[in-house]
Amino acid sequence: EAGVVQSPRYKIIEKKQPVAFWCNPISGHNTLYWYLQNLGQGPELLIRYENEEAVDDSQLPKDRFSAERLKGVDSTLKIQPAELGDSAVYLCASSLDRTAEAFFGQGTRLTVV
Amino acid sequence: SQQGEEDPQALSIQEGENATMNCSYKTSINNLQWYRQNSGRGLVHLILIRSNEREKHSGRLRVTLDTSKKSSSLLITASRAADTASYFCATGDYNTDKLIFGTGTRLQVFP
Repeated sequence: EAGVVQSPRYKIIEKKQPVAFWCNPISGHNTLYWYLQNLGQGPELLIRYENEEAVDDSQLPKDRFSAERLKGVDSTLKIQPAELGDSAVYLCASSLDRTAEAFFGQGTRLTVV
Repeated sequence: SQQGEEDPQALSIQEGENATMNCSYKTSINNLQWYRQNSGRGLVHLILIRSNEREKHSGRLRVTLDTSKKSSSLLITASRAADTASYFCATGDYNTDKLIFGTGTRLQVFP
């Protein structure tokens, strides 16, 4: 069974440019998470989806970040415009439901220069 | 925001020794999960323990949960150099099911 797939693995962009990350969760998983991880720290939740509904986006900086999960499967996370402080690893995870174990993708390492 | 705090922040041991990591959290939970992360890689799920469970085993891993003290421990027995990684606990919040990670323990196992 394929795991959580994220793309791209690496992205380098100039500040003020837009960037988008894509996530394909494990088939049949209803819950999808986007996390941000800075070097040496634990992942921080940005947004959680239950099927197509964003049930927790309190940590998402909505002035520049947006996310969507069309048809309750794939998801994209967008930053526009990117700032230097957005440099981090963006992780996507999925779980069968909101109380089950979460499985993570390899992440997208974003560098904003 | 981080919910859990792992202790110690860093741990160095020799191969064959046991490694114990602790996690403390603040709110009521439905479950607690432990993850491993090798440098530059994604997180790998190790074990999930529910709030009504006190102990769980998986291979060389043993997890305990004390909800009265809001703490959990991860024991790795007979450690190997390949166990070198960062270990994170993550709690599923009782009210919101939000999955919140701790700050992590960096484990170094010397051959």
